[in-house]
Formats: sequence, C-alpha cells, structure tokens
Amino acid sequence: AQTVTQSQPEMSVQEAETVTLSCTYDTSESDYYLFWYKQPPSRQMILVIRQEAYKQQNATENRFSVNFQKAAKSFSLKISDSQLGDAAMYFCAYRSSGGGADGLTFGKGTHLIIQP
Amino acid sequence: NAGVMQNPRHLVRRRGQEARLRCSPMKGHSHVYWYRQLPEEGLKFMVYLQKENIIDESGMPKERFSAEFPKEGPSILRIQQVVRGDSAAYFCASSQRQGMVANNEQFFGPGTRLTVL
Repeated sequence: AQTVTQSQPEMSVQEAETVTLSCTYDTSESDYYLFWYKQPPSRQMILVIRQEAYKQQNATENRFSVNFQKAAKSFSLKISDSQLGDAAMYFCAYRSSGGGADGLTFGKGTHLIIQP
Repeated sequence: NAGVMQNPRHLVRRRGQEARLRCSPMKGHSHVYWYRQLPEEGLKFMVYLQKENIIDESGMPKERFSAEFPKEGPSILRIQQVVRGDSAAYFCASSQRQGMVANNEQFFGPGTRLTVL
C-alpha cells in the first residue's frame, strides 16, 4: 500500500517570503500522480498543483511550484511571494495511474501560517 | 456550472441512529469518491463508485457503512447505528474519465460534518 508522509505539522512564513512544504511517499509503482491540495478554514478542498510521475519537468502554477524527485520519492511544494490568503492546511496526495485504484492517499497535512 | 454538491452540510445524530449523506457530482461526471477526515487528520479514502457499480471499497469499514450511486439521483453514504467515533467530516469528490485512463482531477464537495452525540 502507498503511504504519504508530511513531516511538518506546522510552518510559518512572513508575508511576501518563500516557503517550502515537504512531502515524501512510498510506492512500488512506476507510474502515478501526485497532488497538493489546499484546505482553508472553509474546509473546501482546492487543488493547487498536480504532477505526473512520467514527466521529469516540475509542475508550476503561478506562485506555486514543485520539486519532484522521483528516485528519492519526494514531492515538495514551494510557495513564492506568500500572501495572507495562502494560510491554510496543505495536503500532499498520491494516486495510482489506473487499474481501478483511483482513490487518493493523503498525508496528514501541514498547517501554513502567514505572518503579516 | 455547479460544482460537487453535498447535503446536509452539518448533521447531528444520537448514538444508534442512522446517518445518510448525499453527494451530487458535477455535471457530466460519472465517478464518485467518498473520503473521511477525522479531526487533525488528512482525508482517508473510503469508496469509489460509478453509476450502479462499486469499483473499490477497500477503505470502507466492514460493518455499518454502505454506499450507492444509483442510475438516477445522488450518491448516498449510509452509516447505520452511528457511534461517537463516526464523528468526522465526510467529503465527496467526482471526476470524469477519458477511455481507460483515470488521470482526471477529482473535484471535491464542501463536505458534511457529522456529529454523533
């Protein structure tokens, strides 16, 4: 079974600075998908960024980018120019590439605090 | 274009009662997933359904929990004889598929917060 580990229960960053959230995972599969989700106090799950394992290029969405190290099974999220609206729980998630096992496996989350 | 709808948003039940949680997927989506989030935890996969079929229920507790996604109407997650440990937020997500490839994003609903007294 796959597992996802987020070793930072809480992170704090000054507004406008850069922060990196860590995620590692364990799998025996070679093809899969990785995601970062944001959960603000409203509890709505919002997709931030996704990465296909077969792509070597790191995904980027505006101020959000990932550092995907497949051999190390590491998938960190970098948030540049942090804004107050970025404050939320951030969850790293894994999904198999198919075969009916489409459920996401989530880490326990990192609570991101933005200091004004 | 409405997103994934869940109702009720909050549900209070006494121990031993039944809880029914509803999920209407996004328009055009035929795949539904249920997840449970305990306090201070990440979401845990419970079950994956297509219309009239359960595809993967590996995360469902063996007793008291059931799920369905009928041909017409919303998907239902049913919890019989609830206990205090069932108190959690229950999220539904939906997705499309492209042929045999399941690489589409799962869109989440706002969740139902179940409190068992």
